[in-house]
Amino acid sequence: KQEVTQIPAALSVPEGENLVLNCSFTDSAIYNLQWFRQDPGKGLTSLLLIQSSQREQTSGRLNASLDKSSGRSTLYIAASQPGDSATYLCAVNPPSGYALNFGKGTSLLVTP
Amino acid sequence: GAGVSQSPSNKVTEKGKDVELRCDPISGHTALYWYRQSLGQGLEFLIYFQGNSAPDKSGLPSDRFSAERTGGSVSTLTIQRTQQEDSAVYLCASSVTVTTDTQYFGPGTRLTVL
Repeated sequence: KQEVTQIPAALSVPEGENLVLNCSFTDSAIYNLQWFRQDPGKGLTSLLLIQSSQREQTSGRLNASLDKSSGRSTLYIAASQPGDSATYLCAVNPPSGYALNFGKGTSLLVTP
Repeated sequence: GAGVSQSPSNKVTEKGKDVELRCDPISGHTALYWYRQSLGQGLEFLIYFQGNSAPDKSGLPSDRFSAERTGGSVSTLTIQRTQQEDSAVYLCASSVTVTTDTQYFGPGTRLTVL
């Protein structure tokens, strides 16, 4: 069974810092990997999707990388802002292509 | 355009009662998914639909849970004889097709069983 782990569980940084969130998974046979953001009491917002054949994806201040062979992905956030405060979730899509396996998330707090 | 919507946003029920949760996917999305987010448990997959068909129901936690989708659009998740351990946030997602596409999530229904 695919296990997805996110480290750290919580992170607090001052505004302006660059930061890295880590995601690891046990089975390298994946279809794709998605990073989501969840604000308190809200649903999930998709940030980036990386197909298994890709190495990275970028959107604005966000950059996600994927190393499938080592079972790792990182989400890099540049020049963090208080509005980035949220829980960030990593989800792995198995070869079947539908049932996302989620990590438990990293709770990020960016202080002004 | 409109995103995935779910209703109700909150539901409080008594143990033993039946509940129905509704999901309206993004128009044109053929794939629809149900997940559950429990405190301390993270997000777990329940079931998905391709059109009106549910090829994989293995994620449903018990036979008290069922789901249907009609007209390739709206889906209903029904929980019969609710138990306190059913308390969670139930999230619905949709995608253009199964496999490679981004899954877009609704705001969820928070279910509390007293």
